[in-house]
Amino acid sequence: ETGVTQTPRHLVMGMTNKKSLKCEQHLGHNAMYWYKQSAKKPLELMFVYNFKEQTENNSVPSRFSPECPNSSHLFLHLHTLQPEDSALYLCASSQGPSGSNTGELFFGEGSRLTVL
Amino acid sequence: GDSVTQMEGPVTLSEEAFLTINCTYTATGYPSLFWYVQYPGEGLQLLLKATKADDKGSNKGFEATYRKETTSFHLEKGSVQVSDSAVYFCALSDPPGNQFYFGTGTSLTVIP
Repeated sequence: ETGVTQTPRHLVMGMTNKKSLKCEQHLGHNAMYWYKQSAKKPLELMFVYNFKEQTENNSVPSRFSPECPNSSHLFLHLHTLQPEDSALYLCASSQGPSGSNTGELFFGEGSRLTVL
Repeated sequence: GDSVTQMEGPVTLSEEAFLTINCTYTATGYPSLFWYVQYPGEGLQLLLKATKADDKGSNKGFEATYRKETTSFHLEKGSVQVSDSAVYFCALSDPPGNQFYFGTGTSLTVIP
């Protein structure tokens, strides 16, 4: 138990569906992240939020839409995805850049997405 | 820019063998260094960390020392177990808590 909870753990969707991934952290952190992990590829940073503000968007296609309503919750809204978007989507949190901290990320268990 | 390079896998070892997974880094600042482990079907878990030169991080029999002179943070374990089979990621944070950089991961399989 890392203090970061992701739901659902598994999701199968068609290319025309709209679905959302949810992440919740119980660690009092100020920064939240979405990563994509595909087979045989390095971990890809998608989005970063610091204090609810998006501070990074790594050229992610618009079919992925993040939402961070508060520092504890992060969503990834999915629509008109492609089969190549099938991957493990990992949420993470950290204390953020402010204050003195050692900077580690705490990851959730991931949401395994399959796009048919 | 910052980056992390770790040895390619997969690595296969017999139980009780000695493990080394090499990791070197490039950083513009003074980073914190980490090893994460990912078991099948799970997310990444922090295995150990070091925040300054010559610090040794350790956990579950694994160790890694922050070597500034060689910009390395090699992971070692004296005697691996089947339960250590997983993918191991070297990572850095520079500045700490801000930007994160991950290696490509090294898959370890330990056979009885």
